[in-house]
This record gives sequence, C-alpha cells and structure tokens, in this order.
Amino acid sequence: KQEVTQIPAALSVPEGENLVLNCSFTDSAIYNLQWFRQDPGKGLTSLLLIQSSQREQTSGRLNASLDKSSGRSTLYIAASQPGDSATYLCAVRQGGSEKLVFGKGTKLTVNP
Amino acid sequence: GAGVSQTPSNKVTEKGKYVELRCDPISGHTALYWYRQSLGQGPEFLIYFQGTGAADDSGLPNDRFFAVRPEGSVSTLKIQRTERGDSAVYLCASSLRPAVQETQYFGPGTRLLVL
Repeated sequence: KQEVTQIPAALSVPEGENLVLNCSFTDSAIYNLQWFRQDPGKGLTSLLLIQSSQREQTSGRLNASLDKSSGRSTLYIAASQPGDSATYLCAVRQGGSEKLVFGKGTKLTVNP
Repeated sequence: GAGVSQTPSNKVTEKGKYVELRCDPISGHTALYWYRQSLGQGPEFLIYFQGTGAADDSGLPNDRFFAVRPEGSVSTLKIQRTERGDSAVYLCASSLRPAVQETQYFGPGTRLLVL
C-alpha cells in the first residue's frame, strides 16, 4: 500500500527566505507526482505536476524535483512571501490507478 | 471558465440522518473524483467516475456511502445513517480525461458535521 509522508508538518520562516518542503513515498511505481496548495477553508490548487519520466518542473518561484527510484520529491520556494502561507500537499498517482494518494501536508507560515 | 463547484458548502446534520452532497465538474471533464479530508489529514480517495459509471469505488468506507453520476456530469455523494465519524470535508475533483498526465481540479469542498 502506497504511503506518502511529508516533512516537516509545519514550517515558519521570515519573508524572503528560500525554503524546501519534502515528500517521500514508499512505492516507486508511480505515474506522476503533484504538489497542491490548500488555503484555510478552501479546496486544493494544483501547483506542479511531474511525470514519472521527468526530474523536475518549474513555475515562477516554485521548483519541484522528483527522484522516483529513491521515492522522494522536494518543492523549492524561492524568495518566500506572506502570500505563500498555506498548507502544501504532495500526492502521487499510483501505477494502474486513477486515484491520488496524499500526504498530510506541510503547513507553511511566512512572516512579514 | 468556471471551476468545480460543490453544494452545500456546509452541512450540519444529526446522527442517523441521510445527506446528499453535490458536485458540478468543469464543463467537458469526463473524469470525476470524490475525496474525503479529515482534520489534519490529507484527502483520501473515495470513488472515481469515468462518464456515468463508477470505475473505481475502492475507497468507499462501507455500504452507507454511495455516489451517482447519471448523466456523466453532475455527481451526488449520498451518505445513509450518518455517524459522527463521517464528519469531514468532502472534496470533488474533475479532469479532462482519465489519462495519467492530466491534472485533477478540485472544488472548495463540503464541510459535513454530524452531531
């Protein structure tokens, strides 16, 4: 059974810092990995999707990497801003399945 | 265009009652998913529809939970004899087609509280 773990569970940083969020998964037979953002009381917003054949994806200040063989992904946020404060969720799509398996998320607070 | 919408946004019910939660996917999206998110947890898969049929219902916790998508668009998640443990945020997502490279777009969720 696929298990997704996110470390740390919570992170507080001053504005302007670069930061890294970590995601690990136990079964490397995945189709893709996706990073989402969730604001309090809101649904999920997709940030980046990395196919299993890719090593990284970039969007603006965000960069996500994938090391499928070791079961790890990182989300790098450059020059963090207070508006980046949210919970960040990592999810993998298992091979042969349409469902996403999520981690519990990392709650990020960026202080002005 | 409009995103995924879910109604109601909040639902409070009493233990033992029946509830229906509605999801309107993005127009033209053939794949629809239901997830449940408990406090402090990530979303957990419940059921996936391709068109009108439930292609994977392996995440439904028991037979009190049922979902339909009769015309291949709107979906309704139905919970019978609700229990306090059913309290959670129920999220719906849709994607253009059930291909592995497609992003799932999520709605804002329905917050269900069973008293």
